Amino acid sequence: NAGVMQNPRHLVRRRGQEARLRCSPMKGHSHVYWYRQLPEEGLKFMVYLQKENIIDESGMPKERFSAEFPKEGPSILRIQQVVRGDSAAYFCASSLSTVNTEAFFGQGTRLTVV
Amino acid sequence: AQTVTQSQPEMSVQEAETVTLSCTYDTSESDYYLFWYKQPPSRQMILVIRQEAYKQQNATENRFSVNFQKAAKSFSLKISDSQLGDAAMYFCAYRMQYGNKLVFGAGTILRVKS
Repeated sequence: NAGVMQNPRHLVRRRGQEARLRCSPMKGHSHVYWYRQLPEEGLKFMVYLQKENIIDESGMPKERFSAEFPKEGPSILRIQQVVRGDSAAYFCASSLSTVNTEAFFGQGTRLTVV
Repeated sequence: AQTVTQSQPEMSVQEAETVTLSCTYDTSESDYYLFWYKQPPSRQMILVIRQEAYKQQNATENRFSVNFQKAAKSFSLKISDSQLGDAAMYFCAYRMQYGNKLVFGAGTILRVKS
């Protein structure tokens, strides 16, 4: 059973470009969480999605950031018009349910904005 | 809102000795989960140990154990017989009883000296 797969592992974008980060949850997991880790800091929650629904986006910046988890395919975190401050590691986690189950993390995508 | 505080930015330990990493948290909930995650240079988030707040017994996983003081809202991690492979960033995290949204501390860098 493959773990949580994130791609790409590294992504370089110029200021003003779009960044698309992908996350394939563990098989059978329908709950996906995105976190951002700025340099020298802990992970900060961004958004929680269940298939086709955004459940909690309280940690998402109001502009330029969006997330989706379609019925088929991976979850996508999209950042439009990237700025240098978006440079960070973005982690995805998935879980089977929300009651007494673990969330398993992917290896993250390191986004560098130049 | 829940918060997690790790007051030690960096700790060092001699190989084979014992080290304790500190964590305090703030919540008004009575039932919740606490975790310690290890993040080596590969960036992979590895679950080290978890504690359910309703359990009085401290969790133990091989060389890793916790000292959970619910009234004091303290959750420290003890690593016995430290090994070079234990060198990493360690994050303390909190999760409500329902849901898998994690609140992380800022992390403690653990260095292991041979």
